[in-house]
Amino acid sequence: QQPVQSPQAVILREGEDAVINCSSSKALYSVHWYRQKHGEAPVFLMILLKGGEQKGHEKISASFNEKKQQSSLYLTASQLSYSGTYFCGTVHEQNRDDKIIFGKGTRLHILP
Amino acid sequence: NAGVTQTPKFRVLKTGQSMTLLCAQDMNHEYMYWYRQDPGMGLRLIHYSVGEGTTAKGEVPDGYNVSRLKKQNFLLGLESAAPSQTSVYFCASSYGGPFSGANVLTFGAGSRLTVL
Repeated sequence: QQPVQSPQAVILREGEDAVINCSSSKALYSVHWYRQKHGEAPVFLMILLKGGEQKGHEKISASFNEKKQQSSLYLTASQLSYSGTYFCGTVHEQNRDDKIIFGKGTRLHILP
Repeated sequence: NAGVTQTPKFRVLKTGQSMTLLCAQDMNHEYMYWYRQDPGMGLRLIHYSVGEGTTAKGEVPDGYNVSRLKKQNFLLGLESAAPSQTSVYFCASSYGGPFSGANVLTFGAGSRLTVL
């Protein structure tokens, strides 16, 4: 089952912050975040494993709440280069079937 | 180092025709995946492979077949194309599986398929 991402789309001005959420109805082993720019392939941002750890990558960080089966991606002081569609991919704890199931994506547009 | 290469990049088919999309990776990755991307639907998993000679069904496998005869290649076949298979197809590969900690996906550039 696809994880649910929210919001579907967001428009920000450069320098503003954004939060993208990803939730699943099933227990998760890990959450994966990717960014896709228009006309390009998705590119890896980070993986979060169960254990509730928070990871960071410059001004982009993420958290994983395994009890709530949710992950959030935080974009701080957004830059024009952050524009694109963000996908979360989930790996279910129970199935152990090597599938990474992606959500429908969140479109982020940064205005100058 | 080419990474993940998909061929062809573009293809137009008529309903009922068959074709094969080729995904080739030169990173010695064990795991390979085929996704399709449609507007508003995100990336949906069609089939995947955890190693040479293995394949497994994803979320939307109907109408597609796959083969992984060589470790570096993962083929996606459409035996009788339908307009509903009009999509952008992405191949991805990773060194390890989701439970290995080495599961960073490298995606190919995509193949845009139109079925008339």
